[in-house]
Amino acid sequence: KAGVTQTPRYLIKTRGQQVTLSCSPISGHRSVSWYQQTPGQGLQFLFEYFSETQRNKGNFPGRFSGRQFSNSRSEMNVSTLELGDSALYLCASSLGTGLETQYFGPGTRLLVL
Amino acid sequence: AQKVTQAQTEISVVEKEDVTLDCVYETRDTTYYLFWYKQPPSGELVFLIRRNSFDEQNEISGRYSWNFQKSTSSFNFTITASQVVDSAVYFCALGSSNTGKLIFGQGTTLQVKP
Repeated sequence: KAGVTQTPRYLIKTRGQQVTLSCSPISGHRSVSWYQQTPGQGLQFLFEYFSETQRNKGNFPGRFSGRQFSNSRSEMNVSTLELGDSALYLCASSLGTGLETQYFGPGTRLLVL
Repeated sequence: AQKVTQAQTEISVVEKEDVTLDCVYETRDTTYYLFWYKQPPSGELVFLIRRNSFDEQNEISGRYSWNFQKSTSSFNFTITASQVVDSAVYFCALGSSNTGKLIFGQGTTLQVKP
């Protein structure tokens, strides 16, 4: 089975721009979660989507949003980028029927200049 | 509040030494899960083990072993006869059936020198 894939792998943007990151879960997985990893704050939960609905949300501003499509693929959008948004964004998928193991993708490294 | 503490920021050992990574957690939930992930320099988090709150049996998988003790809220990870390829950042995480999200510790960077 193919693992979780994320595109793009690297991204450079400037302040004020917006960005969209994509995540394709493992086949059969219906839950997709997003995490932000920075040296200062570590790994922080952004949100989780299940069956095209946001099921859980972390403590991030409204500039961070996401969605999930009927094929379980998910996108994450960050509007009005700030320097502090520079991070590794990790996507994880799981079956979604309970608290199963989350399997992570390789991440997207975002640099905001 | 839920919290995971990995007190060891960095550990350096010489190949073939045994090393234990500590993890202490806080939660008020009666049902929860604990995980260990490995993050090599490439960045991807690699799943190592999952334990639920009702299963305190220790587990061994090759050179890896885990010790779960509810009485001390700890879930420690031991690598026996470490190898250079074990060098990575290791994260302990707590999952709650109430929220469906993972709360991670700050991670322990393990460096295994030849």
